[in-house]
Amino acid sequence: GAGVSQSPRYKVAKRGQDVALRCDPISGHVSLFWYQQALGQGPEFLTYFQNEAQLDKSGLPSDRFFAERPEGSVSTLKIQRTQQEDSAVYLCASSFTGEGSQPQHFGDGTRLSIL
Amino acid sequence: DQQVKQNSPSLSVQEGRISILNCDYTNSMFDYFLWYKKYPAEGPTFLISISSIKDKNEDGRFTVFLNKSAKHLSLHIVPSQPGDSAVYFCAARVGTASKLTFGTGTRLQVTL
Repeated sequence: GAGVSQSPRYKVAKRGQDVALRCDPISGHVSLFWYQQALGQGPEFLTYFQNEAQLDKSGLPSDRFFAERPEGSVSTLKIQRTQQEDSAVYLCASSFTGEGSQPQHFGDGTRLSIL
Repeated sequence: DQQVKQNSPSLSVQEGRISILNCDYTNSMFDYFLWYKKYPAEGPTFLISISSIKDKNEDGRFTVFLNKSAKHLSLHIVPSQPGDSAVYFCAARVGTASKLTFGTGTRLQVTL
């Protein structure tokens, strides 16, 4: 399909393990975003890339969270030494540009459960 | 500090009637607003948006109204259909900052 693709859809990890979540944006989309959605809440911004440049990482909750987009396409969100409070749905979104009247298009997310 | 608020967690409307979902915001710097629809186990799907220079935007059965002085926007769906049953999120953005600030969502149920 032509939409944003995220993998895995579900991830279970033990507390303390490292996890990596992948996002394939819509082809040609310059901007890529990561959001975290806790149960019963709206998505909350984590970080933003324009091509390979990480322009805003103000939403990353701690230095255990790291995101990269080395070639300006696929992005990976890595969480080190996972904690139970990291359990959430992680959503990736992309847009053609980050500006103007360009809506962000979301993937179906990765549901992360930390035991 | 919840900058975007959706004070109604749920709403039930009969098929064929109008659904009105409300959203309030506190940040006067927001200049672009969006509504997303979300089904279970899927990501949010973009519905409709409005720039702060407008007070109304319409797309088929969906209309968004913006009242800047009241810092309030609403989404009207008419006529409502059973397939509209989902969680609706209001989101806002400041200029070129790009990141979206979301409300907590309103669950709409359209009954037969």
